[in-house]
Amino acid sequence: QQQVKQSPQSLIVQKGGISIINCAYENTAFDYFPWYQQFPGKGPALLIAIRPDVSEKKEGRFTISFNKSAKQFSLHIMDSQPGDSATYFCAASSGLTGANNLFFGTGTRLTVIP
Amino acid sequence: DAGVIQSPRHEVTEMGQEVTLRCKLISGHNSLFWYRQTMMRGLELLIYFNNNVPIDDSGMPEDRFSAKMPNASFSTLKIQPSEPRDSAVYFCASSLTTSGGKYEQYFGPGTRLTVT
Repeated sequence: QQQVKQSPQSLIVQKGGISIINCAYENTAFDYFPWYQQFPGKGPALLIAIRPDVSEKKEGRFTISFNKSAKQFSLHIMDSQPGDSATYFCAASSGLTGANNLFFGTGTRLTVIP
Repeated sequence: DAGVIQSPRHEVTEMGQEVTLRCKLISGHNSLFWYRQTMMRGLELLIYFNNNVPIDDSGMPEDRFSAKMPNASFSTLKIQPSEPRDSAVYFCASSLTTSGGKYEQYFGPGTRLTVT
């Protein structure tokens, strides 16, 4: 059972456009929502993360929007660049049980066309 | 600071052979996660340890897979005997778990395993 559902599976965006990737979850105990970026041949790397006490977090061109009532969160990449072409994973975790494991989405392959 | 170190980076072996993958945590971290990544199944958590203790191994596919942490900074993932369907990229990730911790996981570069 997929704890975090991610869409779309793949995304093609023109350079300068906005890339939007969406994720949804069911477990209301989740309290940490990171996004990871993975380039071919590399391990995933933490890009940006949010906790449910805020509705938005921005770091440079990357923004997470969080909707607690809808149990959804999304990654927005503004002014998308060819160098942003990678696979993006959303994830979620809960600290209630003392566990530290992340539940990952299935990934979105982003291609930014020059 | 060195990140998570994995070895080997590539492993090609024949079906039935034993395979051992190795991982060194980031200094000071106390949680270790083993993941497997394939095109079909994405990123799967196999097992994770906290302070050298296995916490959840429900993702380990079957008894052919075993993982250990002989000390606080090092882990091995062993597959015996290996099968072609085990071909995947295996990642380990390191984290510092504290009460109310940040849950950030730092991934290693991965080991690409091919079983023929």
